[in-house]
Amino acid sequence: SQQGEEDPQALSIQEGENATMNCSYKTSINNLQWYRQNSGRGLVHLILIRSNEREKHSGRLRVTLDTSKKSSSLLITASRAADTASYFCATVIQGAQKLVFGQGTRLTINP
Amino acid sequence: NAGVTQTPKFRVLKTGQSMTLLCAQDMNHEYMYWYRQDPGMGLRLIHYSVGEGTTAKGEVPDGYNVSRLKKQNFLLGLESAAPSQTSVYFCASSYLPLQGNLYNEQFFGPGTRLTVL
Repeated sequence: SQQGEEDPQALSIQEGENATMNCSYKTSINNLQWYRQNSGRGLVHLILIRSNEREKHSGRLRVTLDTSKKSSSLLITASRAADTASYFCATVIQGAQKLVFGQGTRLTINP
Repeated sequence: NAGVTQTPKFRVLKTGQSMTLLCAQDMNHEYMYWYRQDPGMGLRLIHYSVGEGTTAKGEVPDGYNVSRLKKQNFLLGLESAAPSQTSVYFCASSYLPLQGNLYNEQFFGPGTRLTVL
């Protein structure tokens, strides 16, 4: 089964609202990354949080990490139509040279 | 810089046919990866390479082979295509290894949509 699991699978909100997506994982990690994928395109890296960090900000993005609960959340504030995309969390498992992706959250921003 | 490019963009194969997908990056990255993306499955790692001349298996390597003869290129081969290999294939590269680095994002190509009939 997938290391990372996103919740919800789909989210639809109005422009200007905040969007929160959650990711849970199973094993100890080195770091956790979030990626965005626009329809029909490749993935684009958004933000990385290391296992010893609890929160990071980048523009309108805020990521939290709770290693005791093996979970992370991505908050997008003041959403825009251009934020419509699928969002994936990916974890680097300790000792492994690979990223393991979750199934993604499909975010739709309605104008 | 073109970043990560993939050829072809689309391909339709018949069961049993073979093909090679080409990934090229112009960022001088050591690490390269091949993923497949299926609906509801996220991305799954097929094979990866930590440098020229080296390859390693990922989560779903069966039915695929890879080669990294040049640092900038990573080839994914299907020797005898099966309908189960219908998917979107993504190549990615990174400058740093995934372990123990502060910032080691992966850069993705635009993908190859493969259909096996």
